[in-house]
Amino acid sequence: EADIYQTPRYLVIGTGKKITLECSQTMGHDKMYWYQQDPGMELHLIHYSYGVNSTEKGDLSSESTVSRIRTEHFPLTLESARPSHTSQYLCASSEGDYTDTQYFGPGTRLTVL
Amino acid sequence: DAKTTQPPSMDCAEGRAANLPCNHSTISGNEYVYWYRQIHSQGPQYIIHGLKNNETNEMASLIITEDRKSSTLILPHATLRDTAVYYCIVRGLSGSARQLTFGSGTQLTVLP
Repeated sequence: EADIYQTPRYLVIGTGKKITLECSQTMGHDKMYWYQQDPGMELHLIHYSYGVNSTEKGDLSSESTVSRIRTEHFPLTLESARPSHTSQYLCASSEGDYTDTQYFGPGTRLTVL
Repeated sequence: DAKTTQPPSMDCAEGRAANLPCNHSTISGNEYVYWYRQIHSQGPQYIIHGLKNNETNEMASLIITEDRKSSTLILPHATLRDTAVYYCIVRGLSGSARQLTFGSGTQLTVLP
């Protein structure tokens, strides 16, 4: 079982609020990912990190930002939440070896009113 | 990454083996077959992966045909908690960022 954690699991907030979604992994993985997924829909990669102090935007444009100051921690921040940000946010990590299996956290379901 | 084809849904009786097929006829020599599942509203869960040989772990077995154009995921004794959408994906060796693309998957329903 993969040791990757996300908090909070559910969040309901008002428009304009700043939020940070937390993601931590205890496996020492170099690569970490943030995906966005709407119910019944495909995953969309929004951010990626190769390692500490290395982040890139994913294929889906997102107004969120990320940071990677420590290997185990990859938080995602929305400076001003809007209803269009309502979605499930999934964090994943991988060891970066030749198989590059991605392990996912339980997700944060965000609702912006 | 190669495209995969899976049946949209399957039922399985509790305690019986669930055999989930996947076609990947355009797979190339260095691409792996991965299986994930996603239970409603939860994060995807890695199950197993393989290149050529059959693989087995504590969750499942993966049978890959000799020509590698198809594979079968086997859950040997399905339980109600195995009800989920199962995704078969094909991925090359990753040296850089690579998005997982799940497709539509197979909805497995385990019946009591």
